[in-house]
Amino acid sequence: GQQVMQIPQYQHVQEGEDFTTYCNSSTTLSNIQWYKQRPGGHPVFLIQLVKSGEVKKQKRLTFQFGEAKKNSSLHITATQTTDVGTYFCAGYTGTASKLTFGTGTRLQVTL
Amino acid sequence: DTGVSQDPRHKITKRGQNVTFRCDPISEHNRLYWYRQTLGQGPEFLTYFQNEAQLEKSRLLSDRFSAERPKGSFSTLEIQRTEQGDSAMYLCASSLSGTGVTEAFFGQGTRLTVV
Repeated sequence: GQQVMQIPQYQHVQEGEDFTTYCNSSTTLSNIQWYKQRPGGHPVFLIQLVKSGEVKKQKRLTFQFGEAKKNSSLHITATQTTDVGTYFCAGYTGTASKLTFGTGTRLQVTL
Repeated sequence: DTGVSQDPRHKITKRGQNVTFRCDPISEHNRLYWYRQTLGQGPEFLTYFQNEAQLEKSRLLSDRFSAERPKGSFSTLEIQRTEQGDSAMYLCASSLSGTGVTEAFFGQGTRLTVV
């Protein structure tokens, strides 16, 4: 079955440093979504990418969808303590409506 | 409140007992998902519905798990003969199918503890 892996599993940065998480799928994705889950909270949607090679920005966050539509990345510039949480990618395959989540990357930011 | 709601928020049960959870999705959403999440892991897909039809169920899911969405609105997830390994957060999400953004909106979850 489809597997979606993320690396790293955990990253600890000092405030102001950059952060990147990488997402790799075993199968081609029709689109990729990114979610953030704060400690004790539930996943909250950040963005959706659909096109091969697509790049989208939200303030300090930059999202990329790979050319082969099997990988994606999220880059945060100049992290802040409010960025703390776990970041998940999630994808649909083909025409399937099943949304499969990645393993997640937990980000810790300290002053 | 127009978000996804789940009930109960917490459930403690003895091993061997049956439990049932309820999810009320956003009213116009036709898709409804159930996920299970354990500490430090991503949401694990359990099953999903398009309207009242259950379109897919995880092959990893035991026969002790069953879900319904009788009128295409709220859904229930039942676990029979609970085991300690069933302890987890059970998340429900809903979305609207279409060609645009199909974000999933999650509820707060039901935390199950089997003792």
